[in-house]
Amino acid sequence: QSVLTQPPSVSGTPGQRVTISCSGTNSNIGSNTVNWYQQLPGTAPKLLIYLDDERPSGVPDRFSGSKSGTSASLGISGLQSEDGADYYCATWDESLNVVVFGGGTSLTVL
Amino acid sequence: QVTLKESGPALVKPTQTLTLTCTFSGFSLTTRGMRVNWVRQPPRRALEWLARIDWDGDKFYSTSLKTRLTISKDTSKNQVVLIMTNMDPADTGTYYCARVPGEHYGMDVWGQGTTVTVSS
Repeated sequence: QSVLTQPPSVSGTPGQRVTISCSGTNSNIGSNTVNWYQQLPGTAPKLLIYLDDERPSGVPDRFSGSKSGTSASLGISGLQSEDGADYYCATWDESLNVVVFGGGTSLTVL
Repeated sequence: QVTLKESGPALVKPTQTLTLTCTFSGFSLTTRGMRVNWVRQPPRRALEWLARIDWDGDKFYSTSLKTRLTISKDTSKNQVVLIMTNMDPADTGTYYCARVPGEHYGMDVWGQGTTVTVSS
């Protein structure tokens, strides 16, 4: 069972906006910045969002991150078929002194 | 260009010790704030963080695996080594190393991963 809680799956149609939630506690999300990773089938994860809401160079602005209290969210607007992937949130846990990942959310583009 | 590449045995027997090497280029692990992490992923399951080593030598380990893990670095070779003892079939999966360029930043560059199967 993961320290951070994500929905196992979400889905949307092309052009729609979807959000993926990530719930934690005061010792992790409540105390540190959140990162989001995209993992396409059969590939290594890719950093999508860092420092809660920053996009690395090359990541489309259709992807956005936000955080409030002990929860964070990843938003994907203008959904495209190529967005079908697994998405993970992650942060540092101050109490455990470890990196914690969410259980991952599988996005299906219908 | 920053790259990382994992290497190690593809097959190990139960109770054996696994040694994985992450060889990187394009950055130095002596740069202030730089970190390298190990993350694994069992087949069809979620990512699991294993360990981290920092530019200043600080080391951090997964709570559940800390008794079995040792992480180290060789800055002259641009390598980070992860040793995992007493391997079990449940440790089968893909093992990744990934760079973090500074505090609070994410793992911005990942290796391609190396697949390890634990079986007799």
